[in-house]
Amino acid sequence: KNQVEQSPQSLIILEGKNCTLQCNYTVSPFSNLRWYKQDTGRGPVSLTIMTFSENTKSNGRYTATLDADTKQSSLHITASQLSDSASYICVVFYGNNRLAFGKGNQVVVIP
Amino acid sequence: DSGVTQTPKHLITATGQRVTLRCSPRSGDLSVYWYQQSLDQGLQFLIQYYNGEERAKGNILERFSAQQFPDLHSELNLSSLELGDSALYFCASSPLKTSGRLDEQFFGPGTRLTVL
Repeated sequence: KNQVEQSPQSLIILEGKNCTLQCNYTVSPFSNLRWYKQDTGRGPVSLTIMTFSENTKSNGRYTATLDADTKQSSLHITASQLSDSASYICVVFYGNNRLAFGKGNQVVVIP
Repeated sequence: DSGVTQTPKHLITATGQRVTLRCSPRSGDLSVYWYQQSLDQGLQFLIQYYNGEERAKGNILERFSAQQFPDLHSELNLSSLELGDSALYFCASSPLKTSGRLDEQFFGPGTRLTVL
């Protein structure tokens, strides 16, 4: 079983609509959780970094939430744009300098 | 543009061969990370160097090795290549030693390796 599970694996949404991506993790002790956006063929770009004490963090139209008790995080995209089409990767940093990656949520925004 | 450069952008080679991927970190960053990304596995952390020394090891095969030079650029050497090594290889850099802290990792554009 993967240490970081993301769902849905892929989704298609209409431009202007909202969507929410889920990330559940099992690793511990938790250090921080990051969401990255990766355009096709490009390197990942950091969207948010959240520590244990942070419940919500926003970056423009992206809002991440974290529930460290249930080990769940979400990334909400508001008023989606065509440029939001990408893979969104959840990464959990834990223990002594260790990290676990989700396989990503593939988002396709259509006009 | 993250400030991290990787060369070459694409590499096509045959099984059994050896290749070297190169990464130049952002100016001032001391840490370099190497990642492998394949379609079925997602991103996998391979290895980290900090100021010339190996700092952390992930799922790196014995056929793979890396080093960081005094000018802080890094090279990832892949030998006895197999079909399954075909993937995107990313390098990332950060200023700090420990990735568990709140340092930002900046990813390069990647090298796409195809093993035929």
